[in-house]
Amino acid sequence: DADVTQTPRNRITKTGKRIMLECSQTKGHDRMYWYRQDPGLGLRLIYYSFDVKDINKGEISDGYSVSRQAQAKFSLSLESAIPNQTALYFCATSGKGAGSNQPQHFGDGTRLSIL
Amino acid sequence: LAKTTQPISMDSYEGQEVNITCSHNNIATNDYITWYQQFPSQGPRFIIQGYKTKVTNEVASLFIPADRKSSTLSLPRVSLSDTAVYYCLVGGNTGFQKLVFGTGTRLLVSP
Repeated sequence: DADVTQTPRNRITKTGKRIMLECSQTKGHDRMYWYRQDPGLGLRLIYYSFDVKDINKGEISDGYSVSRQAQAKFSLSLESAIPNQTALYFCATSGKGAGSNQPQHFGDGTRLSIL
Repeated sequence: LAKTTQPISMDSYEGQEVNITCSHNNIATNDYITWYQQFPSQGPRFIIQGYKTKVTNEVASLFIPADRKSSTLSLPRVSLSDTAVYYCLVGGNTGFQKLVFGTGTRLLVSP
């Protein structure tokens, strides 16, 4: 979905480095999410944000932090990367509505490898 | 937490109808059922959503029985480009932490 842009698309880095993954959207949605996907597995929710001042931990937030710089921007940081954080990371957005049933719109992902 | 269970994989041929069933025995009253499609190296894409009975759009149909403990995604006349992973999600207004993508169903369409 070109309306949700993730940068970089690929990144290889070393253990202990600080990494920032960025996500921007042009859909005008208030809600943004970060997911992680490991090979052969489904997506797991890391953090989500309902608006600029509302950020919440998801299923697997340990080792990650986020920043919602603006309605359209939501970044994910790994303060000190470790190899088991090697995965495919997705950003998603959704509009306001009743609960979590609003369809989510995903970016094409960032493939992160930590050596 | 409304956990879902889907077949790990399914095989089909071009032109056939494919039905993927998802089990969600402990679905809550305010939960909706949503299906996504994911191609390799791409993010999931919303296909269809429903609460009860039947929903149809240009891509698929979703059948939900009265007890809502399962749902079936129906893809009419599949093509090779329908080869993907299909995820069934159940979630309502009880908190986003509980919106969980399982391992999905890997559909392989052959010529």
